[in-house]
Amino acid sequence: EVQLVESGGGLVQPGGSLRITCAASGFTFSSYNMDWVRQAPGKGLEWLSYISSSSSTIYYADSVKGRLTISRDNAKNSLYLQMNSLRAEDTAVYYCARERLGNNYGLDVWGQGTTVTVSS
Amino acid sequence: SSELTQDPAVSVALGQTVRITCQGGSLRGFYPSWYQQKPGQAPVFVMYGKNNRPSGIPDRFSGSNSGSTASLTITGAQAEDEADYYCNSRDSSGKHVLFGGGTKLTVL
Repeated sequence: EVQLVESGGGLVQPGGSLRITCAASGFTFSSYNMDWVRQAPGKGLEWLSYISSSSSTIYYADSVKGRLTISRDNAKNSLYLQMNSLRAEDTAVYYCARERLGNNYGLDVWGQGTTVTVSS
Repeated sequence: SSELTQDPAVSVALGQTVRITCQGGSLRGFYPSWYQQKPGQAPVFVMYGKNNRPSGIPDRFSGSNSGSTASLTITGAQAEDEADYYCNSRDSSGKHVLFGGGTKLTVL
């Protein structure tokens, strides 16, 4: 079964750091580009970051550039998001998602999400 | 363009047809993807490209694009279709990904 499972969310104080992980299974992880997307409580989806299959290309949303770092370990079938200088507005459910192969863009597999709460 | 615009809410009578739209300059000549999200659940991929449905998505879902407006149409809406729907695409630079603000679909 194709699956993405996020972990590592939790409560963190403002200004703190957190690393969340996405474990992939059921497919050849090293062949796929991956993204992180978040959703603040009661809000819509917000794209955060992209990493190519080989990690050679990385993009970030302007809103988080400089505070978030995406990375992956293809040997461990894992995707990571390091988050620094966290703010209350970073409180959200964080999803990892797989980009479909082929010409037409789409995020075809999503994890169940991990919740990050930034509060003192 | 760096935005995708969706109507915040749409309603449809059970069994009728509803169209959910997504507007944005990045859609000219390109097709967005669409996602369905029910409360407390992760988004589900329901449409991509020129009217392509992922495996398991009912054929009552269809997609189209005219100029800078893309549409997700549900023909014969069912109660289980009640959800939030999001469109998404890459922006014109290809370096960012855009999401529409989402449309809350109510099935009456």
